[in-house]
Amino acid sequence: AQSVTQPDIHITVSEGASLELRCNYSYGATPYLFWYVQSPGQGLQLLLKYFSGDTLVQGIKGFEAEFKRSQSSFNLRKPSVHWSDAAEYFCAVDAIQGAQKLVFGQGTRLTINP
Amino acid sequence: DGGITQSPKYLFRKEGQNVTLSCEQNLNHDAMYWYRQDPGQGLRLIYYSQIVNDFQKGDIAEGYSVSREKKESFPLTVTSAQKNPTAFYLCASSTGARPPNTEAFFGQGTRLTVV
Repeated sequence: AQSVTQPDIHITVSEGASLELRCNYSYGATPYLFWYVQSPGQGLQLLLKYFSGDTLVQGIKGFEAEFKRSQSSFNLRKPSVHWSDAAEYFCAVDAIQGAQKLVFGQGTRLTINP
Repeated sequence: DGGITQSPKYLFRKEGQNVTLSCEQNLNHDAMYWYRQDPGQGLRLIYYSQIVNDFQKGDIAEGYSVSREKKESFPLTVTSAQKNPTAFYLCASSTGARPPNTEAFFGQGTRLTVV
C-alpha cells in the first residue's frame, strides 16, 4: 500500500525567506502526487499536482514542487514566503490503479516570523 | 457558485448519541469522500462513494455509516460505536475520472465535539 511521510511536523521561517517542505512517498510505480494547504479550521485547497511529464510543477500562490523518482520525493518550495503562507501543508498520493483515494501525509505546520 | 457545503460547522453531542454530518455538492461530481482529521495524524479516509447507491469502507470505517441516495449528497453518521468521535471531519468530491482530469475539492469541515 502506498504511504506518505512528511518528516517535519512544524517549521518556522522568517518572512521573505525561502521555504522547502519535504515529502517522501512509498509506492511501487509513479504515483499521482498532490500538495494541499489548510488554513486553521478550514478545508483543504489544492496548491499543485504532478501526474507525468515535467518533474518541476508550478502551482498557485507562487509555490512549486519537484518530483524526484530516485529519491521518492515531492518537495514543495517557495522562494520568498509571506505572512499569509502560515498554514498547514499536506502532501498526498493517489494510486494509479483502482478507485481514486488520496493518502495523506501527517502534515507540516508552517509558522512565519515577521 | 459551485462547491461543497458541510453543515454544521460546529456540532456538540452527548456521548452515546448518534449524529449525522451533512455534505452537499453542486459540482456534478460522481465521487465523494469522508475524511477524519486529528492533530498530527493528517487525514484518514472513512468512507468513499464512486457512484450513487454505492459506497466502500476506507481505512477507519468502524463506528461510522454513510448513504448515497443522491449524487449531490453524502451524509456521514457517527454512531455510538465510534470510540473516540471528537474530531474534524472533511468531505470531498471529485469527478471520479482518473488523473490528470480530476482533483479532489474539499468542504470547510465540521468540528464534532462529544461531551
